[in-house]
Amino acid sequence: GAVVSQHPSWVICKSGTSVKIECRSLDFQATTMFWYRQFPKQSLMLMATSNEGSKATYEQGVEKDKFLINHASLTLSTLTVTSAHPEDSSFYICSARGEVGHGDTQYFGPGTRLTVL
Amino acid sequence: DAKTTQPPSMDCAEGRAANLPCNHSTISGNEYVYWYRQIHSQGPQYIIHGLKNNETNEMASLIITEDRKSSTLILPHATLRDTAVYYCIVRARTDYKLSFGAGTTVTVRA
Repeated sequence: GAVVSQHPSWVICKSGTSVKIECRSLDFQATTMFWYRQFPKQSLMLMATSNEGSKATYEQGVEKDKFLINHASLTLSTLTVTSAHPEDSSFYICSARGEVGHGDTQYFGPGTRLTVL
Repeated sequence: DAKTTQPPSMDCAEGRAANLPCNHSTISGNEYVYWYRQIHSQGPQYIIHGLKNNETNEMASLIITEDRKSSTLILPHATLRDTAVYYCIVRARTDYKLSFGAGTTVTVRA
């Protein structure tokens, strides 16, 4: 149990285009989902927190108009990187929080590697 | 403001126990200690968490000192597949955000 998937696992796009990343909790309902970004040789940085049916809360310094988050159901959240530029190239990881037998724990997806040319 | 302190790296021998220390001297009574690990180019994997009692599951054991200012994650029989970055994270009961530090890079050697 407690499986979180992400799609796609990697994406290459041209500068100026938008990219959508999906995060799904496969076998549990996620009250809250989180989006992180990880640059090479660095740790994970939280970008935003989203609750089903409400607006996402963004961390300081994260542009909400650039990183659009939609949490349409208890099992799906999407992150859209709008007008992507090379500096947005990174490893994007989502996590989902739910009661899955390990208490109130976050489970992470496998990550999506975004490369903007 | 780092809430935990971990050694940057450690090596251990395959088949032996790996003991990973973590200091969290400013932990408060309503904060959990969580451990995750991240194998290269993958998402973090949940290992274990605890409040004040020692915990054990199929992956590891978590030993928390009586004053809760430090803890040790024990991998009982390390394998090559345990090579990863291990993160010790303090999380408040009602704040579900996880703040990742630099972690400990554990290399298991044959």
